[in-house]
Amino acid sequence: NAGVTQTPKFQVLKTGQSMTLQCAQDMNHNSMYWYRQDPGMGLRLIYYSASEGTTDKGEVPNGYNVSRLNKREFSLRLESAAPSQTSVYFCASSPLAEGYNEQFFGPGTRLTVL
Amino acid sequence: GNSVTQMEGPVTLSEEAFLTINCTYTATGYPSLFWYVQYPGEGLQLLLKATKADDKGSNKGFEATYRKETTSFHLEKGSVQVSDSAVYFCALPASDSWGKLQFGAGTQVVVTP
Repeated sequence: NAGVTQTPKFQVLKTGQSMTLQCAQDMNHNSMYWYRQDPGMGLRLIYYSASEGTTDKGEVPNGYNVSRLNKREFSLRLESAAPSQTSVYFCASSPLAEGYNEQFFGPGTRLTVL
Repeated sequence: GNSVTQMEGPVTLSEEAFLTINCTYTATGYPSLFWYVQYPGEGLQLLLKATKADDKGSNKGFEATYRKETTSFHLEKGSVQVSDSAVYFCALPASDSWGKLQFGAGTQVVVTP
């Protein structure tokens, strides 16, 4: 099993450009999450999807959109990138079954917006 | 709402030293507690967990005991190696949804030879 995979691993954008970060999991998990990690800020939840067909805002959703394409895939879109979105982005998934709610993380996408 | 507070880093240790990272929590009820580890340039990995009070989670020589009396879940390892250099995060389910996790700020550990 590959676990949680993310593409791309690195990306440089200019202000105003758009891009989509891809995430896929092969563990048949119900829930998926997008986080950003910034120095001194820890992990902050952007959006999550508790199950296929549902998405909800997290702590810092402004400037982002998400799509839960199917049970495996959860993408994050930046419509008009801003320098404040320079960060490391992590996707995670969880089985979200009773008593089993730990999350499994991908390797991250390192995004720089110039 | 549920929250965790963990000691600030960086924590710098020599190889074979004893490591403790303090984590205290505020929560409604007795939710599961987690420790995650992030090695340089990688994503977070689940290190260990405890699902109820007095449980001890353990993995890779690390241990943490869920103590409801002191609302703590301190991470310990008896003899650290250089390869244990990483950032460690304490976490618990968010109060508004057990499907979301609330992470601490992370504690960087640096182990020198």
